[in-house]
Amino acid sequence: NAGVTQTPKFQVLKTGQSMTLQCAQDMNHEYMSWYRQDPGMGLRLIHYSVGAGITDQGEVPNGYNVSRSTTEDFPLRLLSAAPSQTSVYFCASIDPGRGTDTQYFGPGTRLTVL
Amino acid sequence: GQQVMQIPQYQHVQEGEDFTTYCNSSTTLSNIQWYKQRPGGHPVFLIQLVKSGEVKKQKRLTFQFGEAKKNSSLHITATQTTDVGTYFCAGRERGSTLGRLYFGRGTQLTVWP
Repeated sequence: NAGVTQTPKFQVLKTGQSMTLQCAQDMNHEYMSWYRQDPGMGLRLIHYSVGAGITDQGEVPNGYNVSRSTTEDFPLRLLSAAPSQTSVYFCASIDPGRGTDTQYFGPGTRLTVL
Repeated sequence: GQQVMQIPQYQHVQEGEDFTTYCNSSTTLSNIQWYKQRPGGHPVFLIQLVKSGEVKKQKRLTFQFGEAKKNSSLHITATQTTDVGTYFCAGRERGSTLGRLYFGRGTQLTVWP
């Protein structure tokens, strides 16, 4: 299994541009999440999904859109990039069948908005 | 809303010294998890605590969950250079949706050889 994969690894955008961060997992996990990590701020939940077709907002959803058409994929869309969205973005999936909230994180996407 | 506070933000120790990081939640938690993130890497799950007063050990690491299920600690005995990284706690509020975790800001551990 590849686990959780994210593309791209690095991205530079100009203010106002839009883009989609890709996330995929091959573990058949129903739950998936997006976090952003800023220096000294820990990880903050952006959006999460409890299954295909179901998404909900986390702590910091503004400026981001998600959809979940399949179990495997959970893309994150930046609608109009702003410098405040410069961050490292992590996607994670959860296997609740283990009886835990264990999050399996992808390698991250480092985004810079100029 | 739920807040998870973690202290200290930074800790510098000499190899062989002990290390402790503390986590406190403003609300009662269903469970608490600990993650480790190496520099430039992604968070990796270490352990989950569920029961009030629970204590778990992984070799030199000891994890505790408070009686009120609002606080937790991670203690590393005799640190090694391989322990370098940032340690995060993450809690799920009691009654909230599975996977909706709130992370502390992390404790960045530096170990001098």
